[in-house]
Amino acid sequence: SQTIHQWPATLVQPVGSPLSLECTVEGTSNPNLYWYRQAAGRGLQLLFYSVGIGQISSEVPQNLSASRPQDRQFILSSKKLLLSDSGFYLCAWRTSGTSGVGEQYFGPGTRLTVT
Amino acid sequence: QKEVEQNSGPLSVPEGAIASLNCTYSDRGSQSFFWYRQYSGKSPELIMSIYSNGDKEDGRFTAQLNKASQYVSLLIRDSQPSDSATYLCAVKRGGGFKTIFGAGTRLFVKA
Repeated sequence: SQTIHQWPATLVQPVGSPLSLECTVEGTSNPNLYWYRQAAGRGLQLLFYSVGIGQISSEVPQNLSASRPQDRQFILSSKKLLLSDSGFYLCAWRTSGTSGVGEQYFGPGTRLTVT
Repeated sequence: QKEVEQNSGPLSVPEGAIASLNCTYSDRGSQSFFWYRQYSGKSPELIMSIYSNGDKEDGRFTAQLNKASQYVSLLIRDSQPSDSATYLCAVKRGGGFKTIFGAGTRLFVKA
């Protein structure tokens, strides 16, 4: 069965500090991978998605970046955090391809507080 | 107009009642429809997917899809306090990689 991991689970960082969040998926090959952010009491905002190693699509212009160095590894980074970067960061995967079917499955999330 | 719209709630129902959650979407090219449950502080969990017009039942949950009306709903029968959560509606086009999520409806089931 497939499993998705995220770490760290919680993070408190000062404004201006760097960020690195990691997501890994087990039990599947060549998944589509996604990073979302959920602000308190709000919906899911798609930040990045990736259809393969080194292939990153950005949805929202901001001070965040993403990388996919391995097939089942997805990393979210920032060089300098802003207060507005606080939120619940969720990684998700789905089976590859663009067909109509294909549910997304979420990792446990990282709760980031920028102080 | 938002791509996926849901009433934010809260929707409050007594234990044992039927909870009805509704969702409308704007893209007529949408082909896949999903319902997720999100407990406070946790990540979303997929509970139902539906691809064809009509009803799909899974235990106490029934998803209903009407593509002509661009409408998706989720019925929860015999609601339990443990069903209290935010329910997210999600929609995906036939092609492409993105799934669009609604902002969610908060459900409270009173014991």
